[in-house]
Amino acid sequence: SQKIEQNSEALNIQEGKTATLTCNYTNYSPAYLQWYRQDPGRGPVFLLLIRENEKEKRKERLKVTFDTTLKQSLFHITASQPADSATYLCALRGGGFKTIFGAGTRLFVKA
Amino acid sequence: DTEVTQTPKHLVMGMTNKKSLKCEQHMGHRAMYWYKQKAKKPPELMFVYSYEKLSINESVPSRFSPECPNSSLLNLHLHALQPEDSALYLCASSQTDGKRGEKLFFGSGTQLSVL
Repeated sequence: SQKIEQNSEALNIQEGKTATLTCNYTNYSPAYLQWYRQDPGRGPVFLLLIRENEKEKRKERLKVTFDTTLKQSLFHITASQPADSATYLCALRGGGFKTIFGAGTRLFVKA
Repeated sequence: DTEVTQTPKHLVMGMTNKKSLKCEQHMGHRAMYWYKQKAKKPPELMFVYSYEKLSINESVPSRFSPECPNSSLLNLHLHALQPEDSALYLCASSQTDGKRGEKLFFGSGTQLSVL
């Protein structure tokens, strides 16, 4: 069955450092990979989408890579801030409506 | 307006009650979704409506009954729920018919507790 694994349940880093989150998947060939941010008690908010034929995408302090050979995506937040503390969800989407989410990584950025 | 609005924000119901969750968007999106999320777990897809027709039902028990009265509204009718149905219920929408991996816009959710 399709499976998405995100590297760790929680990640603690110091303000100003780069946070790197990992998303690995199996038994799936997604056309698109998305990253969302979720704050406690709120719905996920879309951050970035990367297509299977793209290796890297950037948006402000965020960078996403997508390696379809390794079946892995890395999500980087540079110059992290306490306001970046949240849960980050990796999501895969093939053709059609199904978007499958990973369990997320909770990021804590310490001032 | 880039919002998906869900009501109520919190709901407590007994196992014999009937209640409804409501979702509204005015972005002109033609696909709308219900997801269920338990604490520290990923959102799980329940239903998808495309152009007001039910497109996907992920084998959800019949005590959950979705309805899409028009392209802006999505309801989830609840009846005879079990305590294990307690969760955050999220509504989402997307622009077209899901063929281009477009992003999902989520509401803030309804936190449901079944006693």
